[in-house]
Amino acid sequence: KNEVEQSPQNLTAQEGEFITINCSYSVGISALHWLQQHPGGGIVSLFMLSSGKKKHGRLIATINIQEKHSSLHITASHPRDSAVYICAVMRETSGSRLTFGEGTQLTVNP
Amino acid sequence: AAGVIQSPRHLIKEKRETATLKCYPIPRHDTVYWYQQGPGQDPQFLISFYEKMQSDKGSIPDRFSAQQFSDYHSELNMSSLELGDSALYFCASSSLRFSGRGSYNEQFFGPGTRLTVL
Repeated sequence: KNEVEQSPQNLTAQEGEFITINCSYSVGISALHWLQQHPGGGIVSLFMLSSGKKKHGRLIATINIQEKHSSLHITASHPRDSAVYICAVMRETSGSRLTFGEGTQLTVNP
Repeated sequence: AAGVIQSPRHLIKEKRETATLKCYPIPRHDTVYWYQQGPGQDPQFLISFYEKMQSDKGSIPDRFSAQQFSDYHSELNMSSLELGDSALYFCASSSLRFSGRGSYNEQFFGPGTRLTVL
């Protein structure tokens, strides 16, 4: 069982839909990253969370430390949001290195 | 805002050759991380440096070595290349003190170097 699991693995939505991607982890963490990877391969950091909720534009990330769970929400989705979204955790016992989930492939159709 | 710079962006090598990948962190960032992402795989942590000293080591082969220089840039040296080394190599940077960009210790990624070993 992976330490970081994401669901769903693949998600197809229509433009304008509200999207939720989930991340569950089984280890103690000091922080959690949500990352976006486009087909060209580049990785963009969306959020780093250690508690509560963060919002940036149409993106919202929440984390529940007690339940070891985080969600990434996209409101009013757009085709340009199509990408792989990756949850990555900074384990309490492993310094600052990131342990990655397998990613969620999001496709938003016009 | 300045981002993490990696060079080269693409590299093609033959088996048993050597390769050097370079990473220039965001200004005022003191920590550099290297990750390897094989085809269809999650990125895996290789090694990290803080203030020019190795701070953590992951699944980095003995054929690979890395260092961080006085200007905080880092180089990943790969020798005796194998077909299985073909991957996307990411560098990320963060600040363990303070950075004008991002949260404490948040990692920012470079565009990656795509290495193909033939």
